[in-house]
Amino acid sequence: GAVVSQHPSWVICKSGTSVKIECRSLDFQATTMFWYRQFPKQSLMLMATSNEGSKATYEQGVEKDKFLINHASLTLSTLTVTSAHPEDSSFYICSARDSGQSINSPLHFGNGTRLTVT
Amino acid sequence: EDKVVQSPLSLVVHEGDTVTLNCSYEVTNFRSLLWYKQEKKAPTFLFMLTSSGIEKKSGRLSSILDKKELFSILNITATQTGDSAVYLCAVNTGTASKLTFGTGTRLQVTL
Repeated sequence: GAVVSQHPSWVICKSGTSVKIECRSLDFQATTMFWYRQFPKQSLMLMATSNEGSKATYEQGVEKDKFLINHASLTLSTLTVTSAHPEDSSFYICSARDSGQSINSPLHFGNGTRLTVT
Repeated sequence: EDKVVQSPLSLVVHEGDTVTLNCSYEVTNFRSLLWYKQEKKAPTFLFMLTSSGIEKKSGRLSSILDKKELFSILNITATQTGDSAVYLCAVNTGTASKLTFGTGTRLQVTL
């Protein structure tokens, strides 16, 4: 089955530093990937839609200069949390749709990255 | 603004019980409704529903969609402790087919 690899699975960083999270589709191509954030005991909130070869589309209230998204290839999207603060501590999950499948086909999720900012 | 609401927020049942989880939605461009199970990490896909009234079934789990009343239910029969998880309902909307998730239902199955 389709596999999405997300790395790292957890990271601890100091306030003010930047953290990069990678999302790779291992056995399919994904022109579109999605980045979600999940706070404890809450649901997944869409942050942005990552588009291969073009700018990401951010949801309302998500700072594009703080959460930098790069989707340089058909199998890799990265999310960089810049100048991280403790309130950015959360669970970040990426998902991807197989470009060869219907636009209605289910998304495949990575295993998530737990970010803790101290 | 697209909205997906799940109920109950949490539920504790005994092993062997049957549970029904609810999901209602208000979205501008409905494509499909999906159910996911989330244990500790990434959500795992359960069902995708696009048509009203057609039950999807997988083992002890089943789900159905009502596009007129804008809701879906997920049934789990003969629950087991391994069913303990957060069950997420999501609606696929818009041209980018992004998923809008509900709040989730936290199910705990006890012995």
